Amino acid sequence: GDSVTQTEGPVTVSESESLIINCTYSATSIAYPNLFWYVRYPGEGLQLLLKVITAGQKGSSRGFEATYNKETTSFHLQKASVQESDSAVYYCALVKNSNNRIFFGDGTQLVVKP
Amino acid sequence: EAGVTQSPRYAVLQEGQAVSFWCDPISGHDTLYWYQQPRDQGPQLLVYFRDEAVIDNSQLPSDRFSAVRPKGTNSTLKIQSAKQGDTATYLCASSPGTGVYEQYFGPGTRLTVL
Repeated sequence: GDSVTQTEGPVTVSESESLIINCTYSATSIAYPNLFWYVRYPGEGLQLLLKVITAGQKGSSRGFEATYNKETTSFHLQKASVQESDSAVYYCALVKNSNNRIFFGDGTQLVVKP
Repeated sequence: EAGVTQSPRYAVLQEGQAVSFWCDPISGHDTLYWYQQPRDQGPQLLVYFRDEAVIDNSQLPSDRFSAVRPKGTNSTLKIQSAKQGDTATYLCASSPGTGVYEQYFGPGTRLTVL
């Protein structure tokens, strides 16, 4: 089926350290999936962080970046230097472009220590 | 611009009771989605509409769950005879179409069934 697997949380890092949250996907019914990262900050609703709709391309936002790798079916989220304000739950998502249906991973809670 | 609004924010029920959730999407968004998010899992699509028409309700437990969007704007999700397994956060999202558009999420309704 269509599914997403991501790093199980919580992930705890110190401020200014680097971060990687792993995401791999299975897209058996989707010929050309689009890949998104959503984020939920404490007390806020789910919001889009970044998206990539073409394999081989990289998306970036707020210092985060992720590259759509079709060969390894991966879309890992990386940041070179995290801040305390990055503490949130991050969701990797596979999007079926024919109907915008989203398949979410289970989320990874990130805790950034000052 | 107002975001997606949902009410109530919280609900606590005994098994067997009924409950309704209400969603007001972003003005002009023709597509509306309802998701169920169990604790420590990602959101899972229940049903979505384009205008007033149901496009996909294949994941909706039809024997107890129902959803309507009669005028193509606001929407109501209803659970008849709630079960403990229905305990989850119910999220509403809207988008301006069913291509690869960002979905905008509401704050959710946290349901607890005792």
